[in-house]
Amino acid sequence: QQKVQQSPESLTVSEGAMASLNCTFSDGTSNNFRWYRQHSAKGLEVLVSIFSDGEKEEGRFTAHLNRANLHVSLHIREPQPSDSAVYLCAVTGGSNAKLTFGKGTKLSVKS
Amino acid sequence: EAAVTQSPRNKVTVTGGNVTLSCRQTNSHNYMYWYRQDTGHGLRLIHYSYGAGNLQIGDVPDGYKATRTTQEDFFLLLELASPSQTSLYFCASSLGNERLFFGHGTKLSVL
Repeated sequence: QQKVQQSPESLTVSEGAMASLNCTFSDGTSNNFRWYRQHSAKGLEVLVSIFSDGEKEEGRFTAHLNRANLHVSLHIREPQPSDSAVYLCAVTGGSNAKLTFGKGTKLSVKS
Repeated sequence: EAAVTQSPRNKVTVTGGNVTLSCRQTNSHNYMYWYRQDTGHGLRLIHYSYGAGNLQIGDVPDGYKATRTTQEDFFLLLELASPSQTSLYFCASSLGNERLFFGHGTKLSVL
């Protein structure tokens, strides 16, 4: 069964500094990776999707995928207080193409 | 923008009570999902469906039934609610393996 683990559990950064979040997965055949953001017990919104090794940028959000290392990361450029939220990594993989979420990283951006 | 509407937004019931959570999507998506979100566990899949009349079991199905009456409507049923089912419930829809669109969530308290 796929295991998706996120680190750190919580992260505090200053406004304008880069924020980096990590996600490791266990199924090397996984081929579909997304980062979602959740503001304070509300619904989730997708930030960036990535399907092949390398990087994918969507505005201030950049995902890096290294499938050999079973690792996908999210980097937030110039974070703002409004970016304070829980960030979830979602991985689709395995023979049944099952979607598995990590438990999330709580990001706080201080002005 | 795709729309997923959940109702009610908040629900309080007693142990042994009967609860139905409703979800409607107007995205013409084939897949619909019910998740619960709890501190320390993240998002866990209860049931999902890939079309009207279809039901697939998720990772934590015990104590829950679901029914997909139409392409648009997906219901989650708790026939004998227990305090362990106190949680934040999310409905989501997707087109195949594409990104998920989430509702705003239903906060359920079982006393």
